[in-house]
Amino acid sequence: AQSVAQPEDQVNVAEGNPLTVKCTYSVSGNPYLFWYVQYPNRGLQFLLKYITGDNLVKGSYGFEAEFNKSQTSFHLKKPSALVSDSALYFCAVRDSGYNKLIFGAGTRLAVHP
Amino acid sequence: KAGVTQTPRYLIKTRGQQVTLSCSPISGHRSVSWYQQTPGQGLQFLFEYFSETQRNKGNFPGRFSGRQFSNSRSEMNVSTLELGDSALYLCASSPGLAGGTTDTQYFGPGTRLTVL
Repeated sequence: AQSVAQPEDQVNVAEGNPLTVKCTYSVSGNPYLFWYVQYPNRGLQFLLKYITGDNLVKGSYGFEAEFNKSQTSFHLKKPSALVSDSALYFCAVRDSGYNKLIFGAGTRLAVHP
Repeated sequence: KAGVTQTPRYLIKTRGQQVTLSCSPISGHRSVSWYQQTPGQGLQFLFEYFSETQRNKGNFPGRFSGRQFSNSRSEMNVSTLELGDSALYLCASSPGLAGGTTDTQYFGPGTRLTVL
């Protein structure tokens, strides 16, 4: 069965520093991976996805993610964090053969001034 | 293009009642998926509709049902509400063609359901 794990409940970063939010996955077949962000009282906003091709995926708001097949990881990164990046981040994997997302538990990112 | 819209945004119901939530997808999208978000269980898939047919279903009891109309708008119904049904219900739309497995799902703002 497909699954994703986000090992950190919370990540704290100082504004201006690089940030990393971790995600590992377990899939049978090709991994289709996604990152979403959720602000308070809002739905999920799409950041980026990996389907195939270049292992470094660039997305919205300056975020990028690195797909690593050998480590089964898909970590979200940003070179310089902003206070406005503080939110809940979800990694997701497409269930094999279905138009259905399986989400990780989420990681709360707190960026401090 | 307008995004995914969900109505109502907030609902308060009592145990035993039923509720209907509505979702209008992005124009041109034919797939609508529903998810339940709770603090304890996280984000869980309920079902997906494509061209008025349920294409996928998650592990929820039969009290949870849905339908899709010819204009791709979708409704979700929960009957005999329980306290544990309190959650944020999110719908997502995508083109849905060729099974939709590489699609990006775009989410609405959600409906916050509180069951008293």
